Amino acid sequence: EAQVTQNPRYLITVTGKKLTVTCSQNMNHEYMSWYRQDPGLGLRQIYYSMNVEVTDKGDVPEGYKVSRKEKRNFPLILESPSPNQTSLYFCASSPRRSGASHNEQFFGPGTRLTVL
Amino acid sequence: AQSVAQPEDQVNVAEGNPLTVKCTYSVSGNPYLFWYVQYPNRGLQFLLKYITGDNLVKGSYGFEAEFNKSQTSFHLKKPSALVSDSALYFCAVRDRMNRDDKIIFGKGTRLHILP
Repeated sequence: EAQVTQNPRYLITVTGKKLTVTCSQNMNHEYMSWYRQDPGLGLRQIYYSMNVEVTDKGDVPEGYKVSRKEKRNFPLILESPSPNQTSLYFCASSPRRSGASHNEQFFGPGTRLTVL
Repeated sequence: AQSVAQPEDQVNVAEGNPLTVKCTYSVSGNPYLFWYVQYPNRGLQFLLKYITGDNLVKGSYGFEAEFNKSQTSFHLKKPSALVSDSALYFCAVRDRMNRDDKIIFGKGTRLHILP
């Protein structure tokens, strides 16, 4: 089954304790992206990657890191989490050829993160 | 800079009535426009998109959207609402001129279909 998986689905942690949220897709998609969803703010893009070893900042990259060493994986790293990073996080992927893409994105099920 | 606005936080519609969820956008070039739906405790699912050509786009679950270039709008519509359509709906835009593939989502509109 074609899908985007995220782990963990739920995480409660404390301020300053490094964590990684994994994202993996089995559709051979070039484009992958991370979003956070907050009430009243909708979906905001954190980082995205147009291919292996190519990553770019989205609208809210502060406090986050990403890497794209393999095509299928795009982990989100919080080196020193803070309470304002408590949110619902989504990973997404889509195929991409060149230029701006008209392809729709496939979303993972979400990771609910609470930072105390 | 590109942006997208969903002016209504919530829309209430009686079952069987037509529904409209509004979306307006701003891009420097021509847009690619998308609608996604999010059911409770789920990720977003693609509904439909406008690329080029016919201004009326048909998508999943009987939804359609009309691209209006002069009004820079892409409203989502359905002729007869179902209770199961109750969900959170997001409009999104990409500027064709941007090679960085950035996509902007609206803040979402919660649709309540009343039985």
